[in-house]
Amino acid sequence: GAVVSQHPSRVICKSGTSVKIECRSLDFQATTMFWYRQFPKQSLMLMATSNEGSKATYEQGVEKDKFLINHASLTLSTLTVTSAHPEDSSFYICSARVGPINQPQHFGDGTRLSIL
Amino acid sequence: QKEVEQNSGPLSVPEGAIASLNCTYSDRVSQSFFWYRQYSGKSPELIMSIYSNGDKEDGRFTAQLNKASQYVSLLIRDSQPSDSATYLCAVRDSNYQLIWGAGTKLIIKP
Repeated sequence: GAVVSQHPSRVICKSGTSVKIECRSLDFQATTMFWYRQFPKQSLMLMATSNEGSKATYEQGVEKDKFLINHASLTLSTLTVTSAHPEDSSFYICSARVGPINQPQHFGDGTRLSIL
Repeated sequence: QKEVEQNSGPLSVPEGAIASLNCTYSDRVSQSFFWYRQYSGKSPELIMSIYSNGDKEDGRFTAQLNKASQYVSLLIRDSQPSDSATYLCAVRDSNYQLIWGAGTKLIIKP
């Protein structure tokens, strides 16, 4: 099946640090990738849709200058949390869809971000 | 506001019994329906996709779709303790957006 690789799996850093998370599609090309955030005991929240070669589409309430997304190739999208603060601590998960728009998304293993 | 509703649970089922998870959605024109399993601290894993009315079986899992009632369910036969997880229902709406339910926590008791 489709494999989505996400790195790193866990980050602990000081407040004010910028953190980059990578999401790779290993065995398929993904023109579209998705970035989610999940707080403890809450459901997935879509942050943005990442499109290869163009600007990401952000959901309402998500600061595009805070969460920088780059999708420079068909197999790699990156999310950079700039100047992270404790309230940015969360579980960040990327996903990608294989094939037509009606097909399911496949998820990476997620990145647990802890800002001290 | 398009919605996908799930009972948050927890739903407690004895080992070996059938677990029944339910999901309703508001967008009548939705065409694609997905069930994901999420273990605590892990990312979601696709269990089943269903696109047409009726039942779709895959091993111990059966997805059921009733578009007239705007209802999709997941049955897990011969429940095992390893099935204990949160089950997320996701529906692709008429705008091709994926709308997520909040998930049902399932506990299989040995």
